[in-house]
Amino acid sequence: HVQLVESGGGVVQPGRSLRLSCAASGFTFSNYGMHWVRQAPGKGLEWVTFLHYDGNNKYYADSVKGRFTISRDNSRNTLYLQMDSLRAEDTAMYYCAKDSFGSSLWFDYWGQGTLVTVSS
Amino acid sequence: AIQLTQSPSSLSTSVGDRVSITCRASQGISSALAWYQQKPGKTPNLLIYDASSLESGVPSRFSGSGSGTDFTLTISSLQPEDFATYYCQQFNSYPPTFGGGTKVEIK
Repeated sequence: HVQLVESGGGVVQPGRSLRLSCAASGFTFSNYGMHWVRQAPGKGLEWVTFLHYDGNNKYYADSVKGRFTISRDNSRNTLYLQMDSLRAEDTAMYYCAKDSFGSSLWFDYWGQGTLVTVSS
Repeated sequence: AIQLTQSPSSLSTSVGDRVSITCRASQGISSALAWYQQKPGKTPNLLIYDASSLESGVPSRFSGSGSGTDFTLTISSLQPEDFATYYCQQFNSYPPTFGGGTKVEIK
């Protein structure tokens, strides 16, 4: 069965960097686009970024453009999110999510999330 | 970006009740809408895609309808495990966006 396991979250000071990972299993990772979606404490869901199956096309929310970078290693079945110049408003649970049909932009499986707290 | 407005933002209801949640898009999105359920401290779970297609394994008491700008999620007979927050999400265009959520609580 499909499993997505995020890691790398933690407490970080404003302006610093953090790298999240998402280990995928139970499906052919290299065939599907992948997303990161976040949820601030007590708030709703916010899409962050999407990467095509081959790693060639990337899309970002305006709120993170220029600061976050999505990437993947299909040989390791792993998705990454490099987060630079972090701000307090980036504090959230970060979920990786599988695209349902490659690049349909809806999400059929989600990881359990990893919490990022940006605070001095 | 396309904005999605859900109503109500919360509702109190009882087991066995019929529940309807609406989602209005700021512009037409055809049938490019999904619905998710999220229980406290848990991951969102896909219920409906393409506005009315039931995801595999989701109970048939859940249904979706609508197209264009107005959509509805209906739970025909609310069960104890259905108390949760529900989100709509459009996938017609970038960026994919979510509604603000509807919290379904026990009366």
